[in-house]
Amino acid sequence: GEDVEQSLFLSVREGDSSVINCTYTDSSSTYLYWYKQEPGAGLQLLTYIFSNMDMKQDQRLTVLLNKKDKHLSLRIADTQTGDSAIYFCAESSSSGGYQKVTFGIGTKLQVIP
Amino acid sequence: DSGVTQTPKHLITATGQRVTLRCSPRSGDLSVYWYQQSLDQGLQFLIQYYNGEERAKGNILERFSAQQFPDLHSELNLSSLELGDSALYFCASSPRGQGASYEQYFGPGTRLTVT
Repeated sequence: GEDVEQSLFLSVREGDSSVINCTYTDSSSTYLYWYKQEPGAGLQLLTYIFSNMDMKQDQRLTVLLNKKDKHLSLRIADTQTGDSAIYFCAESSSSGGYQKVTFGIGTKLQVIP
Repeated sequence: DSGVTQTPKHLITATGQRVTLRCSPRSGDLSVYWYQQSLDQGLQFLIQYYNGEERAKGNILERFSAQQFPDLHSELNLSSLELGDSALYFCASSPRGQGASYEQYFGPGTRLTVT
């Protein structure tokens, strides 16, 4: 079945760039997403990319997609303490006439002041 | 604020009991998803409804059931509760239509504690 993998933890210094990586197995993925979850809150959609795109930039966020290697990354420029959260990678694909979404386990980003 | 509301915010109950969690999707969204998030299992997809009909089932136990009503709000029913059912339960809604990207908008969650 479909699988989405992420590393569990990343620590960076304030002001540095953060890169969170994700790999997925479903070659028929149509969209890939990044969500952010702050403590005690629900998941918040950060950005998403269509599978025929290589890159998407949105202010401090850059998403890179390598479809051949099924690798997705999220780069956060000038990381701030407010970026400390858990980041979930997810992919969607068609299954039986509907879109199925699979989430990774989440990467906890710790930003050191 | 995602526009998705969930009630109650917190729920404490005893083993063997039954509870109902409620979700109202964003205005115009027809799809509703339920997820369970626990420390050891991560985010687990439970079930999806689209315009009142069940569309997909994930790791949902037989003791759990859900439905989506004509006004599109959804309820998740958890029965014969066990200690291991203690978790955060999230509802999410998704837009649907031509060009839809199927992104999901999450509610704030219901924290269930079974004692």
